[in-house]
Amino acid sequence: DIQLTQSPSFLSASVGDRVTITCRASQGISSDLAWYQQKPGKAPKLLIYAASTLQSGVPSRFSGSGSETEFTLTISSLQPEDFATYYCQQLNSYPLTFGGGTKVEIK
Amino acid sequence: EVQLVESGGGLVQPGGSLRLSCAASGFTFSSYAMSWVRQAPEKGLEWVSAITGSSGSTYYADSVKGRFTISRDNSKNTLYLQMNSLRAEDTAIYYCAKSVAATHDFWGQGTLVTVSS
Repeated sequence: DIQLTQSPSFLSASVGDRVTITCRASQGISSDLAWYQQKPGKAPKLLIYAASTLQSGVPSRFSGSGSETEFTLTISSLQPEDFATYYCQQLNSYPLTFGGGTKVEIK
Repeated sequence: EVQLVESGGGLVQPGGSLRLSCAASGFTFSSYAMSWVRQAPEKGLEWVSAITGSSGSTYYADSVKGRFTISRDNSKNTLYLQMNSLRAEDTAIYYCAKSVAATHDFWGQGTLVTVSS
């Protein structure tokens, strides 16, 4: 199975900060990676698919990059509504797997 | 508008069974793969199972293989998850999700399954 390691697991930041979250795969997965945002008590929401394609309706301050084993999610200017937990997921092969999550909290 | 509504969760004893349902609307259900993803209390997301649009192929996480069965009824626009031999570690919110190229582009609100004596 493909393992995904997210870092950091916890991040404290201020409104307006640039935030970067990393997701590393245990083997190459091409660009078969998605990023999700989850707020407390809510279902996850798709932000980015195919490593760098922004889902419709998602603000352009979110961006994704990377391929094979190293991926990043960047929020260019953190907004109050962005405080949440973020997960990466590999879609290259079954079983699909998620990273452990990164919780972004207000500093 | 895409809607996914899960039901069937509840309290069940260890070793028991439960069947979850996910009623879909707002899209051509038979054209899309569907998945179940779960989240244990205060834990991260865990993919559980997936099924292709035609039900031709099914996939499972190792943790549920042999105990859970995913199925769908395209005439009723409904996805199912039959869960047998339930364990305490199966306690979680179970989400169904519409899938495009395996990416979960839309999620239901989830249904809580609690396995406890």
